[in-house]
Amino acid sequence: QKEVEQNSGPLSVPEGAIASLNCTYSDRGSQSFFWYRQYSGKSPELIMFIYSNGDKEDGRFTAQLNKASQYVSLLIRDSQPSDSATYLCAVNSAGKSTFGDGTTLTVKP
Amino acid sequence: GAGVSQSPRYKVAKRGQDVALRCDPISGHVSLFWYQQALGQGPEFLTYFQNEAQLDKSGLPSDRFFAERPEGSVSTLKIQRTQQEDSAVYLCASSLKTGYEQYFGPGTRLTVT
Repeated sequence: QKEVEQNSGPLSVPEGAIASLNCTYSDRGSQSFFWYRQYSGKSPELIMFIYSNGDKEDGRFTAQLNKASQYVSLLIRDSQPSDSATYLCAVNSAGKSTFGDGTTLTVKP
Repeated sequence: GAGVSQSPRYKVAKRGQDVALRCDPISGHVSLFWYQQALGQGPEFLTYFQNEAQLDKSGLPSDRFFAERPEGSVSTLKIQRTQQEDSAVYLCASSLKTGYEQYFGPGTRLTVT
């Protein structure tokens, strides 16, 4: 079992819909949590980071963290075709980040 | 400001050759990380530095892999006697402090023939 699990997808949503991406992790000592977007052939780009339980909103993006359930999610509101990419969840513990394999999102016009 | 830079962007090596990959972090960033990414997978941790100290090298796949950051800024990942299984994209990232968000460079795509 991987330390950070994500549904590989593909996840397909229509333009304007909400996309929901989920991630679970195994290390209870994890302290910081990140979402990255990666376009094909490019390097990961930071979208959101969250350190405390609850919700954190930034524009169309909302990150949600539940440490008791070892679960972190990313909501993308008003999805656009340009949001089509692979979304990577990363979990940091003692300085070291562990990544999931990503969820591929396709937003259809 | 300038982001993380990596060179070369592409490297083709014959099996058995040594290669050196360079990473220039964001100025002032204390922590520097190296990852290996295979197609269709997330980045796999290799090693990280806090300033010039290598605090964790548990992800280096073999003793053919070596990383250094002698002055706490630029870092080099060296792979000796390359093998075909070393073919991957090597990503470097830096963060202001350990545990903070990391910013990635464009990566070096290594192909071993």
